[in-house]
Amino acid sequence: KAGVTQTPRYLIKTRGQQVTLSCSPISGHRSVSWYQQTPGQGLQFLFEYFSETQRNKGNFPGRFSGRQFSNSRSEMNVSTLELGDSALYLCASRRGSTLEQYFGPGTRLTVT
Amino acid sequence: KNEVEQSPQNLTAQEGEFITINCSYSVGISALHWLQQHPGGGIVSLFMLSSGKKKHGRLIATINIQEKHSSLHITASHPRDSAVYICAVRSETSGSRLTFGEGTQLTVNP
Repeated sequence: KAGVTQTPRYLIKTRGQQVTLSCSPISGHRSVSWYQQTPGQGLQFLFEYFSETQRNKGNFPGRFSGRQFSNSRSEMNVSTLELGDSALYLCASRRGSTLEQYFGPGTRLTVT
Repeated sequence: KNEVEQSPQNLTAQEGEFITINCSYSVGISALHWLQQHPGGGIVSLFMLSSGKKKHGRLIATINIQEKHSSLHITASHPRDSAVYICAVRSETSGSRLTFGEGTQLTVNP
């Protein structure tokens, strides 16, 4: 069974631009969570989607948004990028009936 | 004070040594996760616990709900165990949201 995939793996953007990251969960998994990892703040929860609905949201500004499609694939968008948005963005999927999460390899975003 | 505290932050061991990483948390939880992150960023879920003890190969994880404390043990450590180990909790009130510890950087020397 294929694991969680994320695209792109690496991305360089300029301040003020926007970016969209994609996450494809394991087949059969209906929940996708997004996390941000930075050297200063560590891992932080961004949001979770289940069956196309946002179920939970972390403490991030409205510039961070996401959505989930009917095939459970999810995207997150960051608008008006700031230098502090440079981070590893990880997504994780789970079946929905369990709490066990499976992480993707991450997208490393650099904002210059 | 962070909701999840790990110790030590850094740990260096010789191959073969028994290793313990500790995690304390301050909220009621529905589950605690131990994660492993290798250089490059990929995260692997090692254990999910809500009570007792779990074992997988050379790894053992325990949790004491009353004391709000969990430990991850590695027996007969090997250089390939070198990674960052992260404790994360799912609180009773936060639904699916995970709160993470700062991680423990483990280096096992041959």
